Amino acid sequence: DAKTTQPNSMESNEEEPVHLPCNHSTISGTDYIHWYRQLPSQGPEYVIHGLTSNVNNRMASLAIAEDRKSSTLILHRATLRDAAVYYCILTPHLTQGGSEKLVFGKGTKLTVNP
Amino acid sequence: DTAVSQTPKYLVTQMGNDKSIKCEQNLGHDTMYWYKQDSKKFLKIMFSYNNKELIINETVPNRFSPKSPDKAHLNLHINSLELGDSAVYFCASSHSILWNNEQFFGPGTRLTVL
Repeated sequence: DAKTTQPNSMESNEEEPVHLPCNHSTISGTDYIHWYRQLPSQGPEYVIHGLTSNVNNRMASLAIAEDRKSSTLILHRATLRDAAVYYCILTPHLTQGGSEKLVFGKGTKLTVNP
Repeated sequence: DTAVSQTPKYLVTQMGNDKSIKCEQNLGHDTMYWYKQDSKKFLKIMFSYNNKELIINETVPNRFSPKSPDKAHLNLHINSLELGDSAVYFCASSHSILWNNEQFFGPGTRLTVL
C-alpha cells in the first residue's frame, strides 16, 4: 500500500495557482518526498523532489512542513497541459531496502478548467 | 528522440502463453526498472537493475524474468501468462540507484491476457 495520502481529485481554473496536498505521517528521517505526474495514456513524469527544505524548479514548487509529515506541490499558474494525476511518493535514501515504499497510490486527479 | 522506449505498446494474448516486453533507454543511465500499474492504478516497482545487475526483486512470481543484455536495455519475459497479469507495464531509468534520482518512464505496455 502507498505510504502517502492524497485527495482523489482537485479542480482549478487556468492561470490560477494550484496547491496539491500530501500527507505522509509515517515518513522516516531519510526519506525523500517525490512528486510525479501522469498524463492520460503516458508514463509518469518527474515533477520535483525534496528532503527538508522547500524546493523550486521550472515546473513547480514543493513546500515541506517543518515536521515533514505533509507537503504541498504548488503549480503557480495552471495550464490545460497540467491536467494529470499527481503522485506523491516517499523514496528511501538507502540504495537497497525500502523499495516497498515505491508504490504510487491513486494520486490526485487534477482537472484544469479553461 | 525518445528517452525511454518500450515495445510493444499493446499486447493481447491467451492465458498460458509466454511473452516478452522490450525496453531501451538512450540517456546513458546506469539503472533501469520495471513497474506494474494494475487496474486500480497503483504503480508498484517489480525489478531494478544497476549496470546489468539485479538490485531489487520485489515479491514477483518467478514466471517474470527480467534480462539486461547491457545497461541500455532491460527486457521483461513472462511465462505462463495468467489473467491477473493484465496491467500496464512501465519501464524506467535513472542516473544511478540512489532513490533521490529522477526516474524517466517509458510510455508503457498494456498487456491484456484473455
